[in-house]
Amino acid sequence: EDQVTQSPEALRLQEGESSSLNCSYTVSGLRGLFWYRQDPGKGPEFLFTLYSAGEEKEKERLKATLTKKESFLHITAPKPEDSATYLCAFMTTDSWGKFQFGAGTQVVVTP
Amino acid sequence: NAGVTQTPKFQVLKTGQSMTLQCAQDMNHEYMSWYRQDPGMGLRLIHYSVGAGITDQGEVPNGYNVSRSTTEDFPLRLLSAAPSQTSVYFCASSLTGPQDTQYFGPGTRLTVL
Repeated sequence: EDQVTQSPEALRLQEGESSSLNCSYTVSGLRGLFWYRQDPGKGPEFLFTLYSAGEEKEKERLKATLTKKESFLHITAPKPEDSATYLCAFMTTDSWGKFQFGAGTQVVVTP
Repeated sequence: NAGVTQTPKFQVLKTGQSMTLQCAQDMNHEYMSWYRQDPGMGLRLIHYSVGAGITDQGEVPNGYNVSRSTTEDFPLRLLSAAPSQTSVYFCASSLTGPQDTQYFGPGTRLTVL
């Protein structure tokens, strides 16, 4: 069964304290691995798409990487405005149209 | 552009009642989808549509109906509400499919008593 597992469930960081979030996946054929950010009371907001192992994408303090079994979201020198829940999701090659999310990692960055 | 809009923002139903959650987008997107979000379970796909007149089931379709008569609108119908359908519902749209950037609406918080 295709699935993703995100860890940790929650992460508390001091401002400036870099860290990484993990998204482990077991997928028969990965079409794409996606990262979204969700603020409380709002819908998710797109961050990155990764298609193949070795690929990296960056945006401000965030960097997403992909291996054959995991994706990492690195947060460098976080600020309080980076506090959010970060969701990873995937599409497979044999179920076009279907999109499956992980449970998310809740990140709190304190000043 | 208003993006993706959802109505209502909040709804309380009694068990057995029916209702329709509305979703509309003004970006001329072909792909639209409905998710429910429950604590600790992330977002789960209910139904999706790849264009007007075409819909398909996601991971948790039971108890929900959809139709897509226009490109802009994708309503979600609860036929006979149950307490297990208490959740936050999100509608999303993207240009051609979920591999494109999905834009999410603000959500509808539904409570079934």
